[in-house]
Amino acid sequence: NAGVTQTPKFRVLKTGQSMTLLCAQDMNHEYMYWYRQDPGMGLRLIHYSVGEGTTAKGEVPDGYNVSRLKKQNFLLGLESAAPSQTSVYFCASSYASDSYEQYFGPGTRLTVT
Amino acid sequence: SQKIEQNSEALNIQEGKTATLTCNYTNYSPAYLQWYRQDPGRGPVFLLLIRENEKEKRKERLKVTFDTTLKQSLFHITASQPADSATYLCAPRMDSSYKLIFGSGTRLLVRP
Repeated sequence: NAGVTQTPKFRVLKTGQSMTLLCAQDMNHEYMYWYRQDPGMGLRLIHYSVGEGTTAKGEVPDGYNVSRLKKQNFLLGLESAAPSQTSVYFCASSYASDSYEQYFGPGTRLTVT
Repeated sequence: SQKIEQNSEALNIQEGKTATLTCNYTNYSPAYLQWYRQDPGRGPVFLLLIRENEKEKRKERLKVTFDTTLKQSLFHITASQPADSATYLCAPRMDSSYKLIFGSGTRLLVRP
């Protein structure tokens, strides 16, 4: 089991450019999440999905879009990157159980100049 | 709004001692609370979950308490080791959903 994988690991964008971050999990989890982590602010939920074909907004969704066309994949898109989106992005997944323990990927470090 | 507070200052202790980390929450009553460990450059890793009807939970050298009156959880590592050095995140369940609210974490440094 690879668990949760994220690609790419690092990326530098110029303001206004677009990109897609890919998250994949091989644990057959129903739920998937995208977070961003900034110094001193902890993990903040961007978007999440409770199943294939469904997505919902989290705490900080502006400037991001997501898609979950397949159960094992969750894509995070930035249509027009801004310096404020410089952050470390983590994907996580969990079963649809009462405890919802989350399994995290290794993260993507994104810099927008 | 729901707010999670963890001590932002690093906790520096001697190997062999017990480390105690604090998580305070306000404006709601989570049904359960999770603790995660995060090493530099890596994603968080789940450690323990404690429910509102449980006062204490143990796993090897780890112990978590949950005081719903004080709105506080304490995370203890007994007989600490340098390998325990990491940032520890508190994550109460958000409202009645499956989403979590993560604290900003407390960094633990264990000196040999």
